[in-house]
Amino acid sequence: DTGVSQDPRHKITKRGQNVTFRCDPISEHNRLYWYRQTLGQGPEFLTYFQNEAQLEKSRLLSDRFSAERPKGSFSTLEIQRTEQGDSAMYLCASSLAAGSYNEQFFGPGTRLTVL
Amino acid sequence: TQLLEQSPQFLSIQEGENLTVYCNSSSVFSSLQWYRQEPGEGPVLLVTVVTGGEVKKLKRLTFQFGDARKDSSLHITAAQPGDTGLYLCAGGETSGSRLTFGEGTQLTVNP
Repeated sequence: DTGVSQDPRHKITKRGQNVTFRCDPISEHNRLYWYRQTLGQGPEFLTYFQNEAQLEKSRLLSDRFSAERPKGSFSTLEIQRTEQGDSAMYLCASSLAAGSYNEQFFGPGTRLTVL
Repeated sequence: TQLLEQSPQFLSIQEGENLTVYCNSSSVFSSLQWYRQEPGEGPVLLVTVVTGGEVKKLKRLTFQFGDARKDSSLHITAAQPGDTGLYLCAGGETSGSRLTFGEGTQLTVNP
């Protein structure tokens, strides 16, 4: 039984560098979501895909952030020119589109630290 | 903007005690999920409630969705140290897109 997986689990980078994270959803799930969580807060929505189409983006997703899901399976989230304020846990979740009442299943997250 | 407020923010109790965590909003949600999260890990789904007034039980955990689908509660009976964690409520929209999370309740159960 494979759940949502994310890679890497931890990333330390210097300010100004680019980073890319990968998410592999549960295999039969057609929806994939990205959230960001800072210490002491609940996750905040960034964006979501249904199959390969990016259907919604939060205002939190600045121009330095880009997400892709080219074949409707795994997804990548890239942050360009990282800033210290980007330090957070980046969470990926997946769900089935139909009849799931929006039940989302989360991966273990990627912890980003920008120095 | 839909907001979910959780209370209390922190809760420290002794093993065997009962507790209730509250999740309130001024908005109506099509569904409400409760998650538990441990340090350095992603949230783990505990339950989904969708009908106003619905009550679901998961062993020692009882979840209730308010009649108006704006609020929810989680009650734990005879808490154990293994219940320690961050409890998050999240409201789902009809469109099936984003979940809106509360800030969480950090529960510590001391042996």
